[in-house]
Amino acid sequence: GQNIDQPTEMTATEGAIVQINCTYQTSGFNGLFWYQQHAGEAPTFLSYNVLDGLEEKGRFSSFLSRSKGYSYLLLKELQMKDSASYLCAPEDSNYQLIWGAGTKLIIKP
Amino acid sequence: SAVISQKPSRDICQRGTSLTIQCQVDSQVTMMFWYRQQPGQSLTLIATANQGSEATYESGFVIDKFPISRPNLTFSTLTVSNMSPEDSSIYLCSVARQGDRGELFFGEGSRLTVL
Repeated sequence: GQNIDQPTEMTATEGAIVQINCTYQTSGFNGLFWYQQHAGEAPTFLSYNVLDGLEEKGRFSSFLSRSKGYSYLLLKELQMKDSASYLCAPEDSNYQLIWGAGTKLIIKP
Repeated sequence: SAVISQKPSRDICQRGTSLTIQCQVDSQVTMMFWYRQQPGQSLTLIATANQGSEATYESGFVIDKFPISRPNLTFSTLTVSNMSPEDSSIYLCSVARQGDRGELFFGEGSRLTVL
């Protein structure tokens, strides 16, 4: 079967660093997406990993280990506007995205 | 990036009625995807809308309940038929950067509440 596992909710402090983990099992695998979704809004693309390793993009970085079925999203220098849900979405062999329920990140001053 | 407009943004509907959601894209795309997102849950793909052919529905979704039109390469509609309170959800249309794969762009979503 297909399964995505990520924490339901996390809390972090403004200016700090937070790591959101995602483990997955899919029917084949092409890559993994991370999306950000603010409350009441549509998801927006953050990152896409195909190869193992860390991809850095400004304050956000995403890591992938294909052999372990594991990814994480690393957010540095947290800002209040980073309060949102973060959706892990691996892409199966048919290029279909399998969506996790998302991790709600709460940033406190 | 693609700009996607959805209408209505929100609506309150009576049980047993039907509502059609429209999705307009600012460029021609091969496939358009319709998703549902119930409160606090993940995105669930309802169907893929192909221009010039029948939509492809995912397990648990049927054409009679969610008829889809795709008259051209920039427009699609999703109808939620014979609504019940369980259909209360956000419905999102999306397109992929590269045909049927890659980064997805989403419309603003249509929030339906069924009484």
